[in-house]
Amino acid sequence: GAVVSQHPSRVICKSGTSVKIECRSLDFQATTMFWYRQFPKKSLMLMATSNEGSKATYEQGVEKDKFLINHASLTLSTLTVTSAHPEDSSFYICSARGVMGYNEQFFGPGTRLTVL
Amino acid sequence: DAKTTQPTSMDCAEGRAANLPCNHSTISGNEYVYWYRQIHSQGPQYIIHGLKNNETNEMASLIITEDRKSSTLILPHATLRDTAVYYCIVRAREAYNTDKLIFGTGTRLQVFP
Repeated sequence: GAVVSQHPSRVICKSGTSVKIECRSLDFQATTMFWYRQFPKKSLMLMATSNEGSKATYEQGVEKDKFLINHASLTLSTLTVTSAHPEDSSFYICSARGVMGYNEQFFGPGTRLTVL
Repeated sequence: DAKTTQPTSMDCAEGRAANLPCNHSTISGNEYVYWYRQIHSQGPQYIIHGLKNNETNEMASLIITEDRKSSTLILPHATLRDTAVYYCIVRAREAYNTDKLIFGTGTRLQVFP
């Protein structure tokens, strides 16, 4: 299957700082990217959907001013957690779907964020 | 909201077939059944999907009942590396850029030696 990468894989930051997570589709063009969050022993929760060149659509309850999503190109999307707090500590996973296949949605390996 | 019901956990002996059930009694005619799995601390991995016919690929087989209200994912010869959480998801083929995968709680499959 197609490959989606995320960087960094782990990040530790101080409370009040901002953290940027990158998501890249390595061998296909991703017209749509998704960002999920997963707390320990819980399922994935969809945060937002973004289409290249458009503003992201956020799920109910997700603060768009806190979780900034940019999908500026067909291979890159970024999630910025602004003014991070300990409760934002979580596993963030991106996913991408491209023009080559409607049926499959590929996931990145995830980014473990710890806010101290 | 997730539209599927799965058992919380299952065990399977290595080398035996693992049969993971999923109920989706409110599935609509245009909704597909997808299966993903997530190995600990990794992103989900696509396994298989189907509409109404049974499907098979190199990873697994998907059996969908005739009324489409339930399905079973079959791993024919489970290995220790198949230990993971398995998610059954229904997804409509709506506008290409607006449909999304919504995850339920999944089934935690433990394969033992």
